[in-house]
Amino acid sequence: AQKITQTQPGMFVQEKEAVTLDCTYDTSDPSYGLFWYKQPSSGEMIFLIYQGSYDQQNATEGRYSLNFQKARKSANLVISASQLGDSAMYFCAMKDWAGGGNKLTFGTGTQLKVEL
Amino acid sequence: KAGVTQTPRYLIKTRGQQVTLSCSPISGHRSVSWYQQTPGQGLQFLFEYFSETQRNKGNFPGRFSGRQFSNSRSEMNVSTLELGDSALYLCASSALLTGDGGYTFGSGTRLTVV
Repeated sequence: AQKITQTQPGMFVQEKEAVTLDCTYDTSDPSYGLFWYKQPSSGEMIFLIYQGSYDQQNATEGRYSLNFQKARKSANLVISASQLGDSAMYFCAMKDWAGGGNKLTFGTGTQLKVEL
Repeated sequence: KAGVTQTPRYLIKTRGQQVTLSCSPISGHRSVSWYQQTPGQGLQFLFEYFSETQRNKGNFPGRFSGRQFSNSRSEMNVSTLELGDSALYLCASSALLTGDGGYTFGSGTRLTVV
């Protein structure tokens, strides 16, 4: 069964600094996708970045980049130049294709607080 | 284009009642999946529909059910509500059969059972 582990319940970062949110995963399927979502207090899940298991390069989307280390089964999110608006809950999620259908398995999340 | 729309945003129900939540996916998206989010259990997959067929179901009791209409809108129903059903219910839509196009979530329905 697939599993996502986020070991940082909470993180603090100074505005304009970079921060890394950790995510490790476990799956027996060689084909899978990894997602990061941001959830502000309003509740909506906002898609940030995606990495496919066969992608050769690490994904980047603006200030977000994914540090994908396949052998270590880790997919850490790096946020550069943090802004106050980045304060939110961040979830790592995985979809593997072994189970069929569209089902995401989520980690427990990391609460990020950006400080002045 | 319009995002994923979930209605209602907030709901208060009494134990034993039933509730129906609605999700309208992004136009053209045929897959709708539902998730329950609670402080204790986190985000858990409920079920997924594609072209009116349930393709996948999570580990929830039969009190939780859903359906999808021909216009891809989906509803989920919870019968005989329990206090533990209080949660944020999120739906996500996807364009592709395999979800490679990513998942767009709605703002959720916050259900409180009293």
